[in-house]
Amino acid sequence: AQKVTQAQTEISVVEKEDVTLDCVYETRDTTYYLFWYKQPPSGELVFLIRRNSFDEQNEISGRYSWNFQKSTSSFNFTITASQVVDSAVYFCALSPHNNAGNMLTFGGGTRLMVKP
Amino acid sequence: DGGITQSPKYLFRKEGQNVTLSCEQNLNHDAMYWYRQDPGQGLRLIYYSQIVNDFQKGDIAEGYSVSREKKESFPLTVTSAQKNPTAFYLCASSISGRARPNNEQFFGPGTRLTVL
Repeated sequence: AQKVTQAQTEISVVEKEDVTLDCVYETRDTTYYLFWYKQPPSGELVFLIRRNSFDEQNEISGRYSWNFQKSTSSFNFTITASQVVDSAVYFCALSPHNNAGNMLTFGGGTRLMVKP
Repeated sequence: DGGITQSPKYLFRKEGQNVTLSCEQNLNHDAMYWYRQDPGQGLRLIYYSQIVNDFQKGDIAEGYSVSREKKESFPLTVTSAQKNPTAFYLCASSISGRARPNNEQFFGPGTRLTVL
């Protein structure tokens, strides 16, 4: 069985602060994929990143960075110098390797509020 | 523009009535999905389809039905058997996992269903 836990249900920061969203997962698979999605107030989920379990290098994309640690089963997401437009619900998701159905197991989401 | 459309954005239904939610995509994706999202919770899979004329139940299929007669369309019917249908419904699509597994899913804007 697979499980994704996002322990932080809600985070509030002031603009320009850095913020880290935690994601912890459970899986019996030795290879798997991890995803992050953003859900702005409009409701549509926006894909942010996909990472396979073979690649433990951290990734940076502009103000976004991801820290994957297989030893602790975590895939944390950091926003540097947060902006009001970053306010959204963020979901972490897990997919087993060779998942022909592209099935995803989602965490419960973390609501991020960035105040001006 | 390529993407996924869902209609209507808001839908009201009287208790005991069936209602059909529309989902159309022009991304040429083989796989399509329906999710349910309740306030403060993650996404739960209702049904998914990997190819035309074929679909499988997800985690919470009871009280729902789908059809996949065309590649572009995957309508969801919420039947009167669904005990608590008020929720936000999201449709998604992805490239076929059979050809290339573990692809990201692309989401529509969602339909908010309220049962009166």
